[in-house]
Amino acid sequence: GENVEQHPSTLSVQEGDSAVIKCTYSDSASNYFPWYKQELGKRPQLIIDIRSNVGEKKDQRIAVTLNKTAKHFSLHITETQPEDSAVYFCAAEGAAGNKLTFGGGTRVLVKP
Amino acid sequence: EAQVTQNPRYLITVTGKKLTVTCSQNMNHEYMSWYRQDPGLGLRQIYYSMNVEVTDKGDVPEGYKVSRKEKRNFPLILESPSPNQTSLYFCASSLLGGIGTDTQYFGPGTRLTVL
Repeated sequence: GENVEQHPSTLSVQEGDSAVIKCTYSDSASNYFPWYKQELGKRPQLIIDIRSNVGEKKDQRIAVTLNKTAKHFSLHITETQPEDSAVYFCAAEGAAGNKLTFGGGTRVLVKP
Repeated sequence: EAQVTQNPRYLITVTGKKLTVTCSQNMNHEYMSWYRQDPGLGLRQIYYSMNVEVTDKGDVPEGYKVSRKEKRNFPLILESPSPNQTSLYFCASSLLGGIGTDTQYFGPGTRLTVL
């Protein structure tokens, strides 16, 4: 089945700096890659996603890039703010469809 | 208000005592799913359902059962809970029968402790 690795597990950045989280996946047939943000004590919420026919997608300060050849995708947060502090999860939908495999999560701390 | 609800939110129980965690959505979603969240392991899918009476195993189905008798409800059943099922559980739903088709909405979570 699908395996998703996420790095780093923790990330501390200064407010205003950029943060980058990287994920690799194993199933070359995967075609959907969402990113979720989970604030402390809250439920995961979708922040951005990308499909395999697109190489990059941006939404204000966040962007996701996908390299299908290398089977990795990344989340980029620019001009980080304290409210960006949270756990971020990447995920991939496997070839069988309808099953979402998550990475282990990255705890991001933005220091004021 | 469109939402996914779960009950109970917190539960402490003992080994072997059957329990059910309910999940309900009011968005007429076809797809529903259960995940467990453990530190360092992310969220792992337990079971999912494409529609009424259609369920299938996720990555970690052992020790769990589900049912989908109505479109809005997708209960998670632990027939004989064990301590390794201590976890944070999330129910999720999406409009269509496929994760890649649209946004998946999560419930608030149920923190289960099995002693």
